[in-house]
Amino acid sequence: DIQMTQSPSSLSASVGDRVTITCRASQGISNYLAWFQQKPGKAPKSLIYAASSLQSGVPSKFSGSGSGTDFTLTISSLQPEDFATYYCQQYNSYPPTFGGGTKVEIK
Amino acid sequence: EVQLLESGGGLVQPGGSLRLSCAASGFTFSSYAMSWVRQAPGKGLEWVSAISGSGGSTYYADSVKGRFTISRDNSKNTLYLQMNSLRAEDTAVYYCAKDDCSSTSCYEDVWGQGTTVTVSS
Repeated sequence: DIQMTQSPSSLSASVGDRVTITCRASQGISNYLAWFQQKPGKAPKSLIYAASSLQSGVPSKFSGSGSGTDFTLTISSLQPEDFATYYCQQYNSYPPTFGGGTKVEIK
Repeated sequence: EVQLLESGGGLVQPGGSLRLSCAASGFTFSSYAMSWVRQAPGKGLEWVSAISGSGGSTYYADSVKGRFTISRDNSKNTLYLQMNSLRAEDTAVYYCAKDDCSSTSCYEDVWGQGTTVTVSS
């Protein structure tokens, strides 16, 4: 199985900050990488697919980049509604695997 | 609007069985692969199983292979997960999700609200 490693596992940031989360795959996955946002007690929500394509309805402050094994999710200006846990997922091969998550907290 | 509504969760004893259902609406159900993803209390996301739009292809995580069976009824727009020989480590919120696929590479683009399964004596 492909292992997905996210870093950091948690971070504290202020409203207005630019935040970057990284995700590394244990082997090359081309651009088959998705990002999800999950708020406490809620279902995950798709943000980014194919490494850099924004899901319909997702604000443009979210962006994704990368290919192969190294990927990033960037939030350009953190807002109160963005405090959540973020997960990456590879879907290059079965089984799809998720990173361990990055919890974004208020500083 | 795409909607997915899971049901069937509950408390079950170790070794017991449970069948989860997911009622889909707002899209042509038979045209899309579907998945189940779970989340144990306080833990991350774990993909469980997936099924093609026709139901002809199924996929399972090693952790549930031989115990869980995914199926679908396209006439009822409903996805199922039959869970047998349940273990304490199967305790989780189970999410139904619609897949968006590029060839055979699929990710979950829409998620249900989840149903809770608790395995305990």
